[in-house]
Amino acid sequence: KNEVEQSPQNLTAQEGEFITINCSYSVGISALHWLQQHPGGGIVSLFMLSSGKKKHGRLIATINIQEKHSSLHITASHPRDSAVYICAVGAGWETSGSRLTFGEGTQLTVNP
Amino acid sequence: EAGVAQSPRYKIIEKRQSVAFWCNPISGHATLYWYQQILGQGPKLLIQFQNNGVVDDSQLPKDRFSAERLKGVDSTLKIQPAKLEDSAVYLCASTQDRGKTQYFGPGTRLLVL
Repeated sequence: KNEVEQSPQNLTAQEGEFITINCSYSVGISALHWLQQHPGGGIVSLFMLSSGKKKHGRLIATINIQEKHSSLHITASHPRDSAVYICAVGAGWETSGSRLTFGEGTQLTVNP
Repeated sequence: EAGVAQSPRYKIIEKRQSVAFWCNPISGHATLYWYQQILGQGPKLLIQFQNNGVVDDSQLPKDRFSAERLKGVDSTLKIQPAKLEDSAVYLCASTQDRGKTQYFGPGTRLLVL
């Protein structure tokens, strides 16, 4: 069992739909990251959060530390949101600094 | 602010050849990471530098992979000799301090034939 699991693996949506991607982890963490990866390999950091909720434009990320679960929501999805979304968790500072453990990613395709 | 720079963007080599990748992190970022991302998988940390010292290289295949960050700024990652299974995207990331948001470069896509 992977330490970080994402669901779904693949997601296809119509433009305008509300999208949710889930991430569950089994290790103690200091922070959780949501990353976006477009074709070609470049990764963009979307959020880093350790509690509660963050919002940036149409993107919302939430985390529940007790349940070891995070969600990434995209409101009013658009074809340009099509990408791989990766959840990554950072271990505690006292053990391995900011080493990240990555999920497998969720391939999102938004059709016009 | 300039982002993390990597070169080359693409590289095709034959197995048993050598290859080197270069990374220039964001100015002032003390921590630098190299990741390997095989198609269909999430990135895997290969090595983490704090300034010019290695913090974590536990997942680096040291028989063929090496990395250095001599002056605590730029870094190079070398594979010698390459194997077919080394085909992947190699991502470099940097952060101002441990535990902060990591900024990723565009990656180097390596194909080993």
